[in-house]
Amino acid sequence: NAGVTQTPKFRVLKTGQSMTLLCAQDMNHEYMYWYRQDPGMGLRLIHYSVGEGTTAKGEVPDGYNVSRLKKQNFLLGLESAAPSQTSVYFCASSSVRGYTFGSGTRLTVV
Amino acid sequence: ELKVEQNPLFLSMQEGKNYTIYCNYSTTSDRLYWYRQDPGKSLESLFVLLSNGAVKQEGRLMASLDTKARLSTLHITAAVHDLSATYFCAVDLLQMDSNYQLIWGAGTKLIIKP
Repeated sequence: NAGVTQTPKFRVLKTGQSMTLLCAQDMNHEYMYWYRQDPGMGLRLIHYSVGEGTTAKGEVPDGYNVSRLKKQNFLLGLESAAPSQTSVYFCASSSVRGYTFGSGTRLTVV
Repeated sequence: ELKVEQNPLFLSMQEGKNYTIYCNYSTTSDRLYWYRQDPGKSLESLFVLLSNGAVKQEGRLMASLDTKARLSTLHITAAVHDLSATYFCAVDLLQMDSNYQLIWGAGTKLIIKP
């Protein structure tokens, strides 16, 4: 099925470890986003991209980096994980018809 | 700075009743979205409202948008247990770089009791 695919679905990291979350979309969307969702809150934008090779900071970018080397992929990196980054991470892509979300990655930093 | 406020944040209701969730936002925007999220799941798009006075209905849910009042409502008619979920509204805000950013409400957790 067409849509947004996130990997992995779950991950536990130790403080200071690094990891990369992968987001792939097959809808040929130009715009892609990374959000985090914390309990009792709406989504907050970490970084976004308006096209291949471009990235921009969102509301809560500190501690994260992103890359969009290919149009269909948007990577989110944590260089040195901290417990405050324990969250559920959602990737999304958008067109004029609206936004499509991935199934989420539940990350725990211990 | 755009703020999006939903109320109530928690709602417990009986099957068969009607109720309304409200979404207020603080800055001009003419694109508003409603999403549903089940526990541990992703976000499912319910409605996209693009103009003042827009009204959309799907089953027992109806959403409306009043851009002048900066208010959207999600009305539930004759609630059924399957509608139990958390409902989010989100507003598109035009940024300085001419791109849009979605600003989210905190969500309304809806529990419908049989």
